[in-house]
Amino acid sequence: EAEVAQSPRYKITEKSQAVAFWCDPISGHATLYWYRQILGQGPELLVQFQDESVVDDSQLPKDRFSAERLKGVDSTLKIQPAELGDSAMYLCASSLAGYDEQYFGPGTRLTVT
Amino acid sequence: AQSVTQLGSHVSVSEGALVLLRCNYSSSVPPYLFWYVQYPNQGLQLLLKYTTGATLVKGINGFEAEFKKSETSFHLTKPSAHMSDAAEYFCAVSSSGTYKYIFGTGTRLKVLA
Repeated sequence: EAEVAQSPRYKITEKSQAVAFWCDPISGHATLYWYRQILGQGPELLVQFQDESVVDDSQLPKDRFSAERLKGVDSTLKIQPAELGDSAMYLCASSLAGYDEQYFGPGTRLTVT
Repeated sequence: AQSVTQLGSHVSVSEGALVLLRCNYSSSVPPYLFWYVQYPNQGLQLLLKYTTGATLVKGINGFEAEFKKSETSFHLTKPSAHMSDAAEYFCAVSSSGTYKYIFGTGTRLKVLA
């Protein structure tokens, strides 16, 4: 069964350092999403790609977060510099098209010390 | 604007008892509704979804949910709880034809032996 892949699964970093997460969506899925899930809360959308284009990054803190999907396949989410408040689970999801159900990866648990 | 309210952040049931997890939504347009399950340190797995048609939706692992427009509810039920059902459950809403999911804050289900 096809799955969304994410790495690393866990990341511990010191504040002010840079950190990057990688996501490989299900093959053929044109739409890719990055979510942030703070402990005890539901996921919140950070950015959505349609192929290689960003179609919604309204909730992405652009002063420190960046995301790219250069060839319209895998994607990288970067934080620079990391802050204590960035500690959370970062989830990647993909769908065939923008209105189809979303399939989630296992997530990256980030701890900023 | 859309929103989701999950009543009860923690629910405990005995093994073999009925599971009822509550979800109420707010939407100015016909909603698509979803229930996801999340096990510790894992991503979200789709349990079931309602888009159009039959209001009683059956999902995986014996779960089902009923869309009640008059009550703006989409409660999740399972006749008999198993120990393996212990997890966190998220209700989500999106507008028909759009991608943006709004998640509730989640309900952690505990199953007692």
